[in-house]
Amino acid sequence: AQSVTQPDIHITVSEGASLELRCNYSYGATPYLFWYVQSPGQGLQLLLKYFSGDTLVQGIKGFEAEFKRSQSSFNLRKPSVHWSDAAEYFCAVGARGSGDKLTFGTGTRLAVRP
Amino acid sequence: DSGVTQTPKHLITATGQRVTLRCSPRSGDLSVYWYQQSLDQGLQFLIQYYNGEERAKGNILERFSAQQFPDLHSELNLSSLELGDSALYFCASSTDSFPQYFGPGTRLTVL
Repeated sequence: AQSVTQPDIHITVSEGASLELRCNYSYGATPYLFWYVQSPGQGLQLLLKYFSGDTLVQGIKGFEAEFKRSQSSFNLRKPSVHWSDAAEYFCAVGARGSGDKLTFGTGTRLAVRP
Repeated sequence: DSGVTQTPKHLITATGQRVTLRCSPRSGDLSVYWYQQSLDQGLQFLIQYYNGEERAKGNILERFSAQQFPDLHSELNLSSLELGDSALYFCASSTDSFPQYFGPGTRLTVL
């Protein structure tokens, strides 16, 4: 069974600073990897996904993530954080053949200092 | 706005009761997914339907059931409610594979 670990529960960065949110997964085959963002009181929004090919994936809102098979990681990055990026971020892993079931991490809450 | 609608937004009920949560997917999306989000369990996959057929089941209790209708909207039925069922219930939809668009959720409070 697949699993996801997001080691950081809370992260605070200053506006304009760079951001990296960590995600480690456990899965026996090639995983399908996702990052979602959830603003307070809202549903989740898909930021980006990795299925295959180029290991550096570009997403919406200026986010990118890099798949590193050797480290079982899929970290999310943004070069310059905006105050509106304050939200909770979820990493998820999926597997074909399991009915497109996603297993989510516990989330990282991002706060942005003005 | 994701295009996925869920009703009601909030639901307060008593233990032992039964409720129905409704979801309308984005226009054209054939897949509907239900997720439960709670503080202690996080985001848990419940069930997926594709074009009216059940496609995958997750950690869905026997007291819970769902269906997807010919017009592609879906309903999640929760019965014999317990305090621990209090949570946010999200519906999501997609055209292809894996949930892409999430609705705003239904917050269920069981008293």
